[in-house]
Amino acid sequence: KAGVTQTPRYLIKTRGQQVTLSCSPISGHRSVSWYQQTPGQGLQFLFEYFSETQRNKGNFPGRFSGRQFSNSRSEMNVSTLELGDSALYLCASRRITDTQYFGPGTRLTVL
Amino acid sequence: ELKVEQNPLFLSMQEGKNYTIYCNYSTTSDRLYWYRQDPGKSLESLFVLLSNGAVKQEGRLMASLDTKARLSTLHITAAVHDLSATYFCAAKETSGSRLTFGEGTQLTVNP
Repeated sequence: KAGVTQTPRYLIKTRGQQVTLSCSPISGHRSVSWYQQTPGQGLQFLFEYFSETQRNKGNFPGRFSGRQFSNSRSEMNVSTLELGDSALYLCASRRITDTQYFGPGTRLTVL
Repeated sequence: ELKVEQNPLFLSMQEGKNYTIYCNYSTTSDRLYWYRQDPGKSLESLFVLLSNGAVKQEGRLMASLDTKARLSTLHITAAVHDLSATYFCAAKETSGSRLTFGEGTQLTVNP
């Protein structure tokens, strides 16, 4: 069974640009969550989507947004990038009450 | 707000020795997870603990949960070099699927 996939794996952007990251969940998993991992703040929850609806949102500014499509694939978007947005962005998928399984992550570097 | 604290944050141990990582959480949680992360890699699910007194073992790792004390432990028995990694505990809020992670314990097992 294929795991969670994320694209791209690495990304370099400059301040002020915007970026879109993609996540394909494990087949049959309808819930997708996003997390940001940085050395200073650790792992922080961004948001969760289920059946194309955002169910929960973490304490991040409005520059961070996401969406989920009917096939459960999800995208997150960060607009007006700041240096502090450099991080590993992890996507996780799960069935309704199951363990969250994480993808390999997208490493974003903002210059 | 759910908070999760791990200790120690850094652990250097010799092969063959035993040690325990502690994870405290601040408010009621209905699931406690342990994940492993290798450098530059994503999170690998190790255990999910659902109820008070739950104990799970896999190889040299054993996790337990005391919901009354809001404490989970990850016990390492006869450590080997392959266990070197960062270990995270994460507590799930009782509503929704948001995971709150601890700071992580960076484990180094020396020959």
